[in-house]
Formats: sequence, structure tokens, C-alpha cells
Amino acid sequence: EPEVTQTPSHQVTQMGQEVILRCVPISNHLYFYWYRQILGQKVEFLVSFYNNEISEKSEIFDDQFSVERPDGSNFTLKIRSTKLEDSAMYFCASSEGLAVTNEQFFGPGTRLTVL
Amino acid sequence: AQKITQTQPGMFVQEKEAVTLDCTYDTSDPSYGLFWYKQPSSGEMIFLIYQGSYDQQNATEGRYSLNFQKARKSANLVISASQLGDSAMYFCAMREGSSGGYQKVTFGTGTKLQVIP
Repeated sequence: EPEVTQTPSHQVTQMGQEVILRCVPISNHLYFYWYRQILGQKVEFLVSFYNNEISEKSEIFDDQFSVERPDGSNFTLKIRSTKLEDSAMYFCASSEGLAVTNEQFFGPGTRLTVL
Repeated sequence: AQKITQTQPGMFVQEKEAVTLDCTYDTSDPSYGLFWYKQPSSGEMIFLIYQGSYDQQNATEGRYSLNFQKARKSANLVISASQLGDSAMYFCAMREGSSGGYQKVTFGTGTKLQVIP
């Protein structure tokens, strides 16, 4: 069964450093998403991406964040200068379409720890 | 106002018993979808079940069923015959279909279910 994959599974970084989180969405999916879950809290939407541009973003997704689809398979989230409060689980998701019935398939997550 | 409310931060259930996890939602969109996800301690998000706002019947998937009461805006998850492997965090979530956005999923705060042998 096709699945969303994410690398790395765990990333440790120093405050102020740049990190890139990588995702490979399901191959025939067109819509891509990043979500964040701070430990013990609910999952929060960050950004959605379609046709090589951001289609929607939350207030969390400030200038420190960027997303890119550098090739036909990868979808990346970059945090330019990490802060302690960026420590969280980051989930990538993809969906085939935009209908409410289109399930978003989530990847296993990348746990980011900022020291 | 919270879009998704899960009022039970934690629940216990005896193995083989049924358990209901509560979820209420708030939307003015006529078209929306409700989802339940399971998050085990390993952290991944596992899709369990979906209910559309126009669906006439309650969704079922194996041991999972969704008790959808549209007028009360509730979408409770029922797990029958609980198993030890059901111990996890459970999130209720919603997509709204006509808001003009790209239908981000909005999650509740979750319910931690523990199955007791």
C-alpha cells in the first residue's frame, strides 16, 4: 500500500541553525501539507501546497518557514533559524484531491528537537 | 471558538469491552468531513474512519463506528471489543468543504485511551 515517508525520523539541532525536513508524498497525490504537534498538544496545520505554490498557511507559518518541491517526488519544510519553541513532531501529509472525502494520508513524522 | 472539542483527556476501558470517545464540532459550512485518527506512542497518525456531512448512515470500519448526530454536531467514535493494541491517543478532526481554502484538517486536543487487561 502506498504511503507517505519522512526523513529523518528524529532531528536534533542547535538553536539558530537551519533544518530541512523531507517528505515523499504518495506518488499520484497533488496536494501536500505540513502539520506540527508540540509534545502533549494537538496537531496544528502549518501550510498546504499545490501546483508548486503555497495555497494556504497558518499564522504559525511565518517568514522562518518555507516549503519547496525541489523535484517530482520530494516535498520539504525548511526552518531558517530554529528556536526552542520549534521543538515538535512535524507531519507531512498528502491527498489526491480536495473533496472532503479525500483523506489526507499522514507520514510517520519527524521529531525535531532544538537545543 | 474551538472547531473540534474532545472533552475526555483520558479514558480507561476493560479489554473486550466497548468504549465511546466523544467529539463535538462547530462549523457553518454545509459540507464537511469528520475523521478520527489514532496516534500510538510511536507517534504516527493512523486514519481510522471518515464521516461526510451528507452521509445518511453512520460510518463503520471493522471494530470502529462513528455515531454521527448532525443536529447535535457530534461525531463520537465507538470502538467495540477493545484490544490492548487500542491503547493510544485518538484525535477527532474536521475538513470544511466550501470555505474557499484548501481544506486543512483541524484537530481536537485528543483523548488518551488505555485498555486494561
